[in-house]
Amino acid sequence: QKEVEQNSGPLSVPEGAIASLNCTYSDRGSQSFFWYRQYSGKSPELIMSIYSNGDKEDGRFTAQLNKASQYVSLLIRDSQPSDSATYLCAVKSPGNKLVFGAGTILRVKS
Amino acid sequence: DGGITQSPKYLFRKEGQNVTLSCEQNLNHDAMYWYRQDPGQGLRLIYYSQIVNDFQKGDIAEGYSVSREKKESFPLTVTSAQKNPTAFYLCASSRQGDIISPLHFGNGTRLTVT
Repeated sequence: QKEVEQNSGPLSVPEGAIASLNCTYSDRGSQSFFWYRQYSGKSPELIMSIYSNGDKEDGRFTAQLNKASQYVSLLIRDSQPSDSATYLCAVKSPGNKLVFGAGTILRVKS
Repeated sequence: DGGITQSPKYLFRKEGQNVTLSCEQNLNHDAMYWYRQDPGQGLRLIYYSQIVNDFQKGDIAEGYSVSREKKESFPLTVTSAQKNPTAFYLCASSRQGDIISPLHFGNGTRLTVT
């Protein structure tokens, strides 16, 4: 079992719709969770971070964490073509090591 | 402005040659990391360092070596023992001992070995 799993996609949504990206992790001791966006050929950039169960909202982005189910998700409201990218889920273990999922490709069609 | 600088952006080498990728940060971060990314895949950890003069192997350390003589610098050497060195290499840093500290990435070095 991979430490961090994501559906590779591509996930296609129409412009203005909600995009839902999901991630599961295997280490119950994990404490911090991050979503990065990566455009083709570029380095990842931090979108959201979440540490407590529940929802965290920042503009059009909402991160959701459920530690009991070992599940973290990212919702993107009012999706725009510029949101088209690969979204990487990252989980930080107690040893301070950050483990990444393989990423989900999101395509927003205008 | 604080940040992480990786150089060069593109690097071409012949098979059998060692090559060193540079990573410098002025964020005053203790922890630094090297990741490798292959097309269509996520980031895999090569080496990381939590303090000067100390570093640990990540998941795919074979064929690579690092040094951490200065807090600001964490160079990665890709040796001839690395079987498939062509990849996108990313350096990152974070605050040490801070579980909520995210990674800050450099712009990456794309290495091609022929």
